[in-house]
Amino acid sequence: SQQGEEDPQALSIQEGENATMNCSYKTSINNLQWYRQNSGRGLVHLILIRSNEREKHSGRLRVTLDTSKKSSSLLITASRAADTASYFCATDGIQGAQKLVFGQGTRLTINP
Amino acid sequence: DGGITQSPKYLFRKEGQNVTLSCEQNLNHDAMYWYRQDPGQGLRLIYYSQIVNDFQKGDIAEGYSVSREKKESFPLTVTSAQKNPTAFYLCASSIDRDLSEAFFGQGTRLTVV
Repeated sequence: SQQGEEDPQALSIQEGENATMNCSYKTSINNLQWYRQNSGRGLVHLILIRSNEREKHSGRLRVTLDTSKKSSSLLITASRAADTASYFCATDGIQGAQKLVFGQGTRLTINP
Repeated sequence: DGGITQSPKYLFRKEGQNVTLSCEQNLNHDAMYWYRQDPGQGLRLIYYSQIVNDFQKGDIAEGYSVSREKKESFPLTVTSAQKNPTAFYLCASSIDRDLSEAFFGQGTRLTVV
């Protein structure tokens, strides 16, 4: 079963605009991670936020976590064509199970 | 260079055959994972291993088998019992049980012919 659910499933914006993707999950977590996947390739880790953190930044990426709502958001500012990819959130699933569980992903397209 | 390597990149299987996908890492990671990805979908967990000689079933283990005889290797066998094996398979590893950053291989695309 999927732990995380991303929203929207697909997002298309113009280069230079900001892109926001959301992730909701069902059970308590220790941390939440965001990954990027270019078509037909493996996933690349972007950022990890722990359950006691509310916001984290890395370059043009900003991640927020609201454990009361069991949700997270990934904001990419000043988007570039090279940001076109699928973005996935991942959580540690059922507490104690020690496995990384991914959502369905958001397919982001940046139009030049 | 340190990393995680999957082979082959493309694999074709006849119905009724077992095939084994290779996953090797030289990152000295304890934890390793196998995921299946269908077109336009997310990743579904097949098997995972937190330590040598131990592994657990994920959400879709039926029709698959694994072994973890060495820390650096976690091969996945797709058996003939897996009725719909055509998919993209991804292997990952992470340093420990605390589910820190996972490193992924480039994937193996398996097609049944």
